[in-house]
Amino acid sequence: DSGVTQTPKHLITATGQRVTLRCSPRSGDLSVYWYQQSLDQGLQFLIQYYNGEERAKGNILERFSAQQFPDLHSELNLSSLELGDSALYFCASSVGPWDTQGNTIYFGEGSWLTVV
Amino acid sequence: GQSLEQPSEVTAVEGAIVQINCTYQTSGFYGLSWYQQHDGGAPTFLSYNALDGLEETGRFSSFLSRSDSYGYLLLQELQMKDSASYFCAVKGGGADGLTFGKGTHLIIQP
Repeated sequence: DSGVTQTPKHLITATGQRVTLRCSPRSGDLSVYWYQQSLDQGLQFLIQYYNGEERAKGNILERFSAQQFPDLHSELNLSSLELGDSALYFCASSVGPWDTQGNTIYFGEGSWLTVV
Repeated sequence: GQSLEQPSEVTAVEGAIVQINCTYQTSGFYGLSWYQQHDGGAPTFLSYNALDGLEETGRFSSFLSRSDSYGYLLLQELQMKDSASYFCAVKGGGADGLTFGKGTHLIIQP
């Protein structure tokens, strides 16, 4: 158990809908990362927040948005869902703005999203 | 941005040694990391190299050559439980996130 908690674990929704994925980082971690993993694309970096502020941005679609709240939990919002958005979405956390402890980030168990 | 190249699949025999290579291109460099992921599971941290040379952690070692933009993960005394995907990752400069390669699927045969 990494200490990173993600909900829901599984989600099935229809095209065009909107979903919210939730992440609670490890106690004491200020940085939260979101990754998308699909079969043919590996782990795609979406976005990183540090202490409530956006820190880095990857290949995140405009239909997707995220935020980190004062209690440091984070939410990833996916809207106008398409079949191709079906993937495993990971949240990860680390102490520093990037991973200052030996470049270690800790991953949650992921949220499986299926768009039908 | 960053890009990483690693083999998609490697096959080895139980008890043997296997090396998984990774080459990278990045603007700015803050180290090369390795993560292990079992099917359906979360990636877990294995090792990190910020400087050239070899880092050893039990049966796993990781090597980095910054001048060659190259690193590798060495797994010794392979066990069936080592069957997993292995990802190299780099943190580039500026606002770039921690970028992962597409992963190497390690198949271990008895």
